[in-house]
Amino acid sequence: AQKVTQAQTEISVVEKEDVTLDCVYETRDTTYYLFWYKQPPSGELVFLIRRNSFDEQNEISGRYSWNFQKSTSSFNFTITASQVVDSAVYFCALSEYGFRTSGTYKYIFGTGTRLKVLA
Amino acid sequence: DAGVIQSPRHEVTEMGQEVTLRCKPISGHDYLFWYRQTMMRGLELLIYFNNNVPIDDSGMPEDRFSAKMPNASFSTLKIQPSEPRDSAVYFCASRDDRDGGEQFFGPGTRLTVL
Repeated sequence: AQKVTQAQTEISVVEKEDVTLDCVYETRDTTYYLFWYKQPPSGELVFLIRRNSFDEQNEISGRYSWNFQKSTSSFNFTITASQVVDSAVYFCALSEYGFRTSGTYKYIFGTGTRLKVLA
Repeated sequence: DAGVIQSPRHEVTEMGQEVTLRCKPISGHDYLFWYRQTMMRGLELLIYFNNNVPIDDSGMPEDRFSAKMPNASFSTLKIQPSEPRDSAVYFCASRDDRDGGEQFFGPGTRLTVL
């Protein structure tokens, strides 16, 4: 069955520290997609990244980087030199190819990690 | 594009009243999703549509909840009658039909049922 585990409920760091948010997933499919979303205090859900199961290349976008490792079923998110504006809840999500879900891609969300960056 | 639009942003109502939440997806998106977010249960998928047709409503909590999508640019989620336990933030999201396309979320409607 699909499952996404974000074991870190809350993390606090001091500004300029690096921080890694963990995401571990379970799926029996070979084709799937992984996502990260940010939910700042204002409440909206902001899309950050999408990765398919056939692309294990790590990705870097400014201070953000993502490490996808199929061997450990993990898709971790690192923020380098954190800033106060990074304070938010971060969600990891999994979507399978979906033959069992009428060919569509429902998300399974993790429970989120609340990141607090202190000035 | 303006993104996914939801209205109202906040709704306060009394138990037993009917509540209607509205959503306008991003133009050209074929899929529309309704989610509910609470502290206890996190993000839950309630129902989703493909080309205006409901595909999976297994997440709808009970018969008091109903959703419609009369056309490609509008959807409603109705709760009748509302109960205090329905208090939550309700999100609408849409996406296109690419393989594994990401969902884009609206700002949410914060519902409080007294």
